[in-house]
Amino acid sequence: QSALTQPASVSGSPGQSITISCTGTISDVGGYNYVSWYQQHPGKAPKLIIYDVSDRPSGVSNRFSGSKSGNTASLTISGLQAEDEADYYCSSYSSSSTLMVFGGGTKLTVL
Amino acid sequence: EVQLVQSGAQVKKPGESLKISCEVSGYTFTSYWIGWVRQMPGKGLEWMGLIYPRDSDTTYSPSFQGQVTISADKSISTAFLQWSSLKASDTATYYCASVGGPGNWFDLWGQGTLVTVSS
Repeated sequence: QSALTQPASVSGSPGQSITISCTGTISDVGGYNYVSWYQQHPGKAPKLIIYDVSDRPSGVSNRFSGSKSGNTASLTISGLQAEDEADYYCSSYSSSSTLMVFGGGTKLTVL
Repeated sequence: EVQLVQSGAQVKKPGESLKISCEVSGYTFTSYWIGWVRQMPGKGLEWMGLIYPRDSDTTYSPSFQGQVTISADKSISTAFLQWSSLKASDTATYYCASVGGPGNWFDLWGQGTLVTVSS
């Protein structure tokens, strides 16, 4: 069982917006602004798309945005495109001995 | 160009040892932590541990403490992940990645090394 809880799957049509949630505890998501999100296409390495809750690395589309409220972080993808179909993982710094934790991943299907 | 290039796929038998590598280029190897992440077939990402190549300070996830060894060689800008006695349950793709900030997020990733352990 993963330390952070994500929905197993979400779906949306091209052009729509979707949101993926990531729920943790006060020891990780709720206690620090160190939530990151990764996109992984099949057979490829993960790619960082959001760090520090809402910052985007250079080159990442502004269709990707992140936020946090309490112990739950969220990734929103607006203007869905076929190329967004992938697995998405959240991660957070943790004050526990684990130091960092991942969510179980969410499969995004673009209908 | 910044790159993390990992060694190739490996097929091993249970009980054998293995050391896989992650060569860094394009930035100062000793300036950033490097982490290792496991992904078992069809499963999610699991953080294994981190190493700071400048002084080889290492920290492990409790799930992997004692199961693997993380090391680094500054002279060749390479980090390593090794096993002394592989198990079938070690079958997975292993990624190295550089830590981008104090929140331990991974900004650059290697291409992954598939390790298959089967008798």
